Amino acid sequence: AQSVTQPDIHITVSEGASLELRCNYSYGATPYLFWYVQSPGQGLQLLLKYFSGDTLVQGIKGFEAEFKRSQSSFNLRKPSVHWSDAAEYFCAVGGGFKTIFGAGTRLFVKA
Amino acid sequence: EAGVAQSPRYKIIEKRQSVAFWCNPISGHATLYWYQQILGQGPKLLIQFQNNGVVDDSQLPKDRFSAERLKGVDSTLKIQPAKLEDSAVYLCASSPATGAMNTEAFFGQGTRLTVV
Repeated sequence: AQSVTQPDIHITVSEGASLELRCNYSYGATPYLFWYVQSPGQGLQLLLKYFSGDTLVQGIKGFEAEFKRSQSSFNLRKPSVHWSDAAEYFCAVGGGFKTIFGAGTRLFVKA
Repeated sequence: EAGVAQSPRYKIIEKRQSVAFWCNPISGHATLYWYQQILGQGPKLLIQFQNNGVVDDSQLPKDRFSAERLKGVDSTLKIQPAKLEDSAVYLCASSPATGAMNTEAFFGQGTRLTVV
């Protein structure tokens, strides 16, 4: 069955520090993978996606993610976090017509 | 390019009442989704349309929820009668995908429903 696990419910990082948000998935074939960000009271905005090809994917706002098939992971990274990055981040896996979202990781940024 | 429009933004109703949400997707997008997002959880797909046909409604509680997509464009989601556990944000999204390929979805701001 298709599933997505985001092990960290929330993470706190200092402004300027690096960030890694974890995502593990279960899917029987090659998945389509997404990271979305949701600010309070807003819908979800796509940060980046992986369909095929280079396993290191660049996204908007300085984010990147790496697809590791052997670990069934698609972790999101950013080298230097800004206060405006505080939000909820969702990993999603899609295949065919169905997309499944993880429960999300809330990012807090401290000054 | 205009985004996905949803209305209303907020709605408070009493249990057993009915409520309807409206969504206008991005022009030309064939696929439209309705998701339910309960506080602290990720979005859960309720129903997916491709043009005006239903692709997936396996998680739609059909005894109380209904949805339609008129002429393959706008969509409405209705709950009748509402229960306390229906309190959530209802997100509409659209995608240009027309086949089996799964592309990214573009989300509206959502409707926050509170059932009291």
